[in-house]
Amino acid sequence: NAGVTQTPKFRVLKTGQSMTLLCAQDMNHEYMYWYRQDPGMGLRLIHYSVGEGTTAKGEVPDGYNVSRLKKQNFLLGLESAAPSQTSVYFCASNPIPTLRVGAAFFGQGTRLTVV
Amino acid sequence: DAKTTQPPSMDCAEGRAANLPCNHSTISGNEYVYWYRQIHSQGPQYIIHGLKNNETNEMASLIITEDRKSSTLILPHATLRDTAVYYCIVTRVEYGNKLVFGAGTILRVKS
Repeated sequence: NAGVTQTPKFRVLKTGQSMTLLCAQDMNHEYMYWYRQDPGMGLRLIHYSVGEGTTAKGEVPDGYNVSRLKKQNFLLGLESAAPSQTSVYFCASNPIPTLRVGAAFFGQGTRLTVV
Repeated sequence: DAKTTQPPSMDCAEGRAANLPCNHSTISGNEYVYWYRQIHSQGPQYIIHGLKNNETNEMASLIITEDRKSSTLILPHATLRDTAVYYCIVTRVEYGNKLVFGAGTILRVKS
């Protein structure tokens, strides 16, 4: 049982390059999220999904696109990377929450540097 | 989603209880209170959550005031490994349970 797995763990991009970050969860969770965390700051929500085939914008969606074609995978794309997108990216998944269930599980992060 | 207010930092002696406060005065009736922590640069870790009653699990206790406008996370016997940033989050289920993180409280446990 791997939980939430993010690929890759580290990446250096040149300005203007594109890439896709992959998040995979094996817990059959409905909800999935992408966050970014800049140095000394809390996490900010980029996009999220409440189920297969659905996506929605979070606090800071500009410059990113996402897809949830399969329930277990949530992809985050950068079409034209900018230095301002240098950050640590965290993926999370969450079952439909009730009082007794509702913990979000986070991946270990992807450290992206755009030069 | 309701906004939360936490002190920026706190210190606690090892072996003592750590009490981390959180204000959420605009919380709605269907919003839950969640606590997460982030150790160094790892992914956040779930601690506990509740709606209106006090909750306890193997990691911590959550005390929610009767008017639900504030809560306290209690780590009963803090250890050095509990040094982390602690986030108090309020969220509604029907919004996909999205977690909006503030700056949190840096808890430093000292020997």
